[in-house]
Amino acid sequence: NAGVTQTPKFQVLKTGQSMTLQCAQDMNHNSMYWYRQDPGMGLRLIYYSASEGTTDKGEVPNGYNVSRLNKREFSLRLESAAPSQTSVYFCASRRDRGGSGELFFGEGSRLTVL
Amino acid sequence: GENVEQHPSTLSVQEGDSAVIKCTYSDSASNYFPWYKQELGKRPQLIIDIRSNVGEKKDQRIAVTLNKTAKHFSLHITETQPEDSAVYFCATEGGGSYIPTFGRGTSLIVHP
Repeated sequence: NAGVTQTPKFQVLKTGQSMTLQCAQDMNHNSMYWYRQDPGMGLRLIYYSASEGTTDKGEVPNGYNVSRLNKREFSLRLESAAPSQTSVYFCASRRDRGGSGELFFGEGSRLTVL
Repeated sequence: GENVEQHPSTLSVQEGDSAVIKCTYSDSASNYFPWYKQELGKRPQLIIDIRSNVGEKKDQRIAVTLNKTAKHFSLHITETQPEDSAVYFCATEGGGSYIPTFGRGTSLIVHP
């Protein structure tokens, strides 16, 4: 039981390049989330998926797209990377959409955009 | 949307002292209040949570208190140890939103 798995763990991009962060969970959770973490800014929600087949914008969605490929997988895509997207990205999941408690986080993906 | 303010941003204590971190929130409909701990280079992990029908919850050396009238909740760590050194995040959720909103975090440093 691996929990939440993110790939890659580290990535360096040049401005304008594209990339996809992959996330998979093996806990049969319904809800999945993508957060970014910047110094002094806490965890800010980019996009979330309350259930398979649905996605919604969070607090900071600009410059990102997501795909809920199936119940297990939720990917985050940067179409044209910008230096402002340099950050640590965390995927998280939990059983239900809300009120049911704990978010389980992946190990994080550190992205640097030059 | 919900606004969560967390203070202090940095807290330095001596081993054995107590530490208190406070969060205030704006949405009176919020009904779930978790705390996450993030060690350096690691993922955030839930350490304790409380729901709006409870005023206080304890788990060994950590406790959370909730004041719904004043819209604030606090994390209390007693007998701090060096392994308590980490960044702690509060969060709120509930009402019409099922999206957790996080505070900006508190860096706790426990000096041996």
